Amino acid sequence: EDKVVQSPLSLVVHEGDTVTLNCSYEVTNFRSLLWYKQEKKAPTFLFMLTSSGIEKKSGRLSSILDKKELSSILNITATQTGDSAIYLCAVGSGSRLTFGEGTQLTVNP
Amino acid sequence: EAGVVQSPRYKIIEKKQPVAFWCNPISGHNTLYWYRQNLGQGPELLIRYENEEAVDDSQLPKDRFSAERLKGVDSTLKIQPAELGDSAVYLCASSLGGIDYNEQFFGPGTRLTVL
Repeated sequence: EDKVVQSPLSLVVHEGDTVTLNCSYEVTNFRSLLWYKQEKKAPTFLFMLTSSGIEKKSGRLSSILDKKELSSILNITATQTGDSAIYLCAVGSGSRLTFGEGTQLTVNP
Repeated sequence: EAGVVQSPRYKIIEKKQPVAFWCNPISGHNTLYWYRQNLGQGPELLIRYENEEAVDDSQLPKDRFSAERLKGVDSTLKIQPAELGDSAVYLCASSLGGIDYNEQFFGPGTRLTVL
């Protein structure tokens, strides 16, 4: 059975801090790893990492895929209160996505 | 471009009652997914459609859950009868499709409360 584990499950930081969220996986037929941000609504897509694209960056967010270690990290620099959300990691195997439990990030002013 | 549309946004019912959720995917997206998300958990796949065909329904509790995607566009997910443990957010997602295409776009979800 495919498995995705995220850590930490929750994190509280102050504005301006840098955070690193972790995701590890055990899946058959790995295709891609995706990061989503979920506020009080639908998950919104952040990044997709594949064997041909193991590092992505967008503004203050960046992500790296380590295929050898079967893991990924999501970095957020200079955090803002608007970054408060649940960050979901999902691994694609074929057309199926298996999600982790998510990391609840709270950024305090 | 319009996103994935779901209705209703919220539903409160008593146990043993039936309930139905509706989803309209992004135009042109052949693949449609229904997920269930329990509080504090990530979404779990219930069923995946490629056009009108259900190609992955292995995690759909078929004794009480059913889904359809007539004409390969809109989809309906039904629970009959609902149980207390069905309280969750039901998310619909769509993608362009293809076995290697994983980027999925989610709707706002329907929050179901079973009393």
